[in-house]
Amino acid sequence: GAGVSQSPSNKVTEKGKDVELRCDPISGHTALYWYRQSLGQGLEFLIYFQGNSAPDKSGLPSDRFSAERTGGSVSTLTIQRTQQEDSAVYLCASSFKPGLANEQYFGPGTRLTVT
Amino acid sequence: SQKIEQNSEALNIQEGKTATLTCNYTNYSPAYLQWYRQDPGRGPVFLLLIRENEKEKRKERLKVTFDTTLKQSLFHITASQPADSATYLCALDAGGSYIPTFGRGTSLIVHP
Repeated sequence: GAGVSQSPSNKVTEKGKDVELRCDPISGHTALYWYRQSLGQGLEFLIYFQGNSAPDKSGLPSDRFSAERTGGSVSTLTIQRTQQEDSAVYLCASSFKPGLANEQYFGPGTRLTVT
Repeated sequence: SQKIEQNSEALNIQEGKTATLTCNYTNYSPAYLQWYRQDPGRGPVFLLLIRENEKEKRKERLKVTFDTTLKQSLFHITASQPADSATYLCALDAGGSYIPTFGRGTSLIVHP
């Protein structure tokens, strides 16, 4: 079956513009995670969803970042007024349930470059 | 503060040897620990999961150990192959939390 997909695969935007990143998880997976990975850095947790709810938004770097999930499926990560430090690869992962008792399936990521 | 440490220096080994990668953590009491493989330009791929009450887990050429006293997990690849060259990440939870924390990963290079 299909894995986790993300779009776009690459996004170049000008500083100050808004961007939307999309994640299509594996069907039936209730948990969905967003991470950010900068060059040479580990995965930085941003937010996770259980169904359509986001129990923990503590990883979002600033109020310019927001995310939603609809229908227990597709999720969108929105970054408003992008800054150069937002440049990174944004990875989405889904799992059958939340928590590390369950393996996470990652998408290929969206490479965001803010010029 | 909570920390996860993986060797930042690349591990270079010869084909056929056993590769051993280390994941150390402080100020965590994880219930679960996972290992992932990441190739350049791709998302991580799950390899193995080990629980706090398990000492060792095996899957084909892979073996993971988990020592909650030493606060360390070791990841072994036996009979390594050039195709095993990748970055290996460990991830753990903060005991009961649904939020995973990842190490920065260790790059493994297997030379033919």
